[in-house]
Amino acid sequence: AIRMTQSPSSLSASTGDRVTITCRASQGISSYLAWYQQKPGKAPKLLIYAASTLQSGVPSRFSGSGSGTDFTLTISCLQSEDFATYYCQQYYSYPPYSFGQGTKLEIK
Amino acid sequence: QVQLVESGGGVVQPGRSLRLSCAASGFTFSSYAMHWVRQAPGKGLEWVAVISYDGSNKYYADSVKGRFTISRDNSKNTLYLQMNSLRAEDTAVYYCARGLAAANVWGKGTTVTVSS
Repeated sequence: AIRMTQSPSSLSASTGDRVTITCRASQGISSYLAWYQQKPGKAPKLLIYAASTLQSGVPSRFSGSGSGTDFTLTISCLQSEDFATYYCQQYYSYPPYSFGQGTKLEIK
Repeated sequence: QVQLVESGGGVVQPGRSLRLSCAASGFTFSSYAMHWVRQAPGKGLEWVAVISYDGSNKYYADSVKGRFTISRDNSKNTLYLQMNSLRAEDTAVYYCARGLAAANVWGKGTTVTVSS
């Protein structure tokens, strides 16, 4: 099974900051990677798929990059509504469709 | 609008069974693969199972293989998860989600608590 590792596990930042979250796959997954945002008590929301394609309706301050084993999610100018937990997920090889452990983005 | 609504959660004793349902609306259900994903209290997301658009292919996480069965009824626009031999570690919010690859539609979830 492919293992997904996110870093950091938690992150403190301020509104207006630029933040980057990293996701590493235990083996190459080409660009078969998605990023999700989850707020407390809510279902996950798809932000990015195919490593860098923005899901319809997602603000352009979100961007994704990478291929192979190393990927990043960048939020260019943090807004208050962006404080949440973020997960990466690979869909290159399944089962399982493995998720990263999550990165909790908190207000500094 | 596109919507997924889970139901069937509740409190169940270890070793017992439960069946979850996910009612789909606003899109052509029979054209999409569907997933179940769960989240234990205070923990991250764990993928559980996926079924192809026509039900011909099913895959499971090792943690539920042999105990859980995913199925669908395209005539009723409904996805199911039959959960047998439930364990305390199956306690979680269970979400259904649409899409073979990245899941772009999610339900709000239904809570399953396994406790004596």
